[in-house]
Amino acid sequence: KAGVTQTPRYLIKTRGQQVTLSCSPISGHRSVSWYQQTPGQGLQFLFEYFSETQRNKGNFPGRFSGRQFSNSRSEMNVSTLELGDSALYLCASSLGDRDRGTEAFFGQGTRLTVV
Amino acid sequence: AQSVTQLGSHVSVSEGALVLLRCNYSSSVPPYLFWYVQYPNQGLQLLLKYTSAATLVKGINGFEAEFKKSETSFHLTKPSAHMSDAAEYFCAVSGSARQLTFGSGTQLTVLP
Repeated sequence: KAGVTQTPRYLIKTRGQQVTLSCSPISGHRSVSWYQQTPGQGLQFLFEYFSETQRNKGNFPGRFSGRQFSNSRSEMNVSTLELGDSALYLCASSLGDRDRGTEAFFGQGTRLTVV
Repeated sequence: AQSVTQLGSHVSVSEGALVLLRCNYSSSVPPYLFWYVQYPNQGLQLLLKYTSAATLVKGINGFEAEFKKSETSFHLTKPSAHMSDAAEYFCAVSGSARQLTFGSGTQLTVLP
């Protein structure tokens, strides 16, 4: 079956602009989580969506937001971009059940560069 | 709260040698632990996971890990390294909210 698809793979934006990243989860998966990966801070959890509702949120400013559609596809938006937002943004999909051991499948990521 | 510490940001081994990547965790709930691998410009791929069943867990590509509660450790091993194992490896713990908390990663280099 098809894996997690993230678009675009690469993006260059200017400070102050906003950006929207897209994630299509594996068919049948209802949970989508977003992570930010930077050399300095490593992998950090942004938020999780399940059945179109934000179920969990990490410690990021309000400039970072997301949503999930009825087909489980998710978008992440970053407004007023800062240089420090340059990162690899990873999306992970899972069944979304309450089992903490359920595997999360990751997409290849979107590399965002803010100049 | 959960946290993961990976000892050694860079590990080098010769091809055919034992691979040992260290991971220690802290968790306020019984831990579910994961090892992921990341190749350059790629996402994360699950190698193996511990979910309170057998303490010795076998994963893909010949990797295995042993959960030791008394040492709060979940070290990753492979008996014989292959050139294709060169990548970055992440240990992670799943907390009560199901989000993954990752360690800082270990870059594995395999020398010919």
